[in-house]
Amino acid sequence: NAGVTQTPKFRVLKTGQSMTLLCAQDMNHEYMYWYRQDPGMGLRLIHYSVGEGTTAKGEVPDGYNVSRLKKQNFLLGLESAAPSQTSVYFCASIKTRTANTGELFFGEGSRLTVL
Amino acid sequence: KNQVEQSPQSLIILEGKNCTLQCNYTVSPFSNLRWYKQDTGRGPVSLTIMTFSENTKSNGRYTATLDADTKQSSLHITASQLSDSASYICVVSGEGNKLVFGAGTILRVKS
Repeated sequence: NAGVTQTPKFRVLKTGQSMTLLCAQDMNHEYMYWYRQDPGMGLRLIHYSVGEGTTAKGEVPDGYNVSRLKKQNFLLGLESAAPSQTSVYFCASIKTRTANTGELFFGEGSRLTVL
Repeated sequence: KNQVEQSPQSLIILEGKNCTLQCNYTVSPFSNLRWYKQDTGRGPVSLTIMTFSENTKSNGRYTATLDADTKQSSLHITASQLSDSASYICVVSGEGNKLVFGAGTILRVKS
């Protein structure tokens, strides 16, 4: 039981390049989230998914796209990376029925630098 | 506006001492409040989850309190250890399970 696994852990991109971050969870959770964490700020929600095949925008969705083709995977894509997207990205998941009080599990983070 | 404010921003204490971290929130309606510990370079790990009806919850040397009337929570760490050095994040859940994260308090425990 690995929990929430993110790949890659580190990546350096040039402005305008594209990339995809992969999040995989083996806990059969319905809800999955992508956050970004910047110095001095709380985690901010980029996109989330309440189930396979569904996605929704969070508070900072611009410049990102997501897909949830399989229940266990949640992909975050950057089509044309910008320096403002330099950040640490965290994926998280939680069970649906206990979404209100259950534990939110986080991955270890993916550090992205855009030059 | 739904906000979570944590204080202090950072704190340095000696090993073995106690400390208390504060969290004030304006999230409404309130559903639950969580405290997370985030080690440097790692993802946040849950310490406690408290609902509206809970005043106190402990997890080993960590004790969280909640006053839903004043919209304040605290995290008390007893007999601190070097491994307690981390960022502690307060997260409040509001309407529709929307989570609002505080910026965190960075704790450093010195020997």
